[in-house]
Amino acid sequence: GAVVSQHPSWVICKSGTSVKIECRSLDFQATTMFWYRQFPKQSLMLMATSNEGSKATYEQGVEKDKFLINHASLTLSTLTVTSAHPEDSSFYICSAIDRDRSYNEQFFGPGTRLTVL
Amino acid sequence: SQKIEQNSEALNIQEGKTATLTCNYTNYSPAYLQWYRQDPGRGPVFLLLIRENEKEKRKERLKVTFDTTLKQSLFHITASQPADSATYLCALGAGNMLTFGGGTRLMVKP
Repeated sequence: GAVVSQHPSWVICKSGTSVKIECRSLDFQATTMFWYRQFPKQSLMLMATSNEGSKATYEQGVEKDKFLINHASLTLSTLTVTSAHPEDSSFYICSAIDRDRSYNEQFFGPGTRLTVL
Repeated sequence: SQKIEQNSEALNIQEGKTATLTCNYTNYSPAYLQWYRQDPGRGPVFLLLIRENEKEKRKERLKVTFDTTLKQSLFHITASQPADSATYLCALGAGNMLTFGGGTRLMVKP
């Protein structure tokens, strides 16, 4: 149980275009989902916290108008990278907390590799 | 500022030995600490959670210690196997939020 999927697993796009990444909790309901970014040989950096039915909370230095987050249901959160640039190329990973579990274990998706040309 | 340090150099050990990975932190008072495994190009996989009032946690071949005085956690893999080769991340937690260390790459040689 507690499986999180991401789609797509990888994407290549042209500079200036927008890309949407989906994060789904497959067998549990998640009131809270997180979006992380990981550059090569670096650790995961939290970008934003996504709560179902409310606006996302962004970490310092993350542009909310560039990284649009929507958490419209208890099983789906989306991250849209708008007007992507080569420096946005990274590994984007989401995680979700099972609202029915008593401890704060985050279940991670497999990640999405974004390459902006 | 908060800082989480994991040995950035790869740890190479022989199969069957015990691997010990270190996570040190400063300017932080986590309520709990977690260890994750990450394989190349994949998302992290949860291994163990230890709370601030716990000293040690075990799960099969894994053992985690947590010393809030030293601000340090040790992660042990006993009877290591080549399949244990991966990057191991420690993450400090408060509420629902996690802050990750840089990870240590473990290589277990047959």
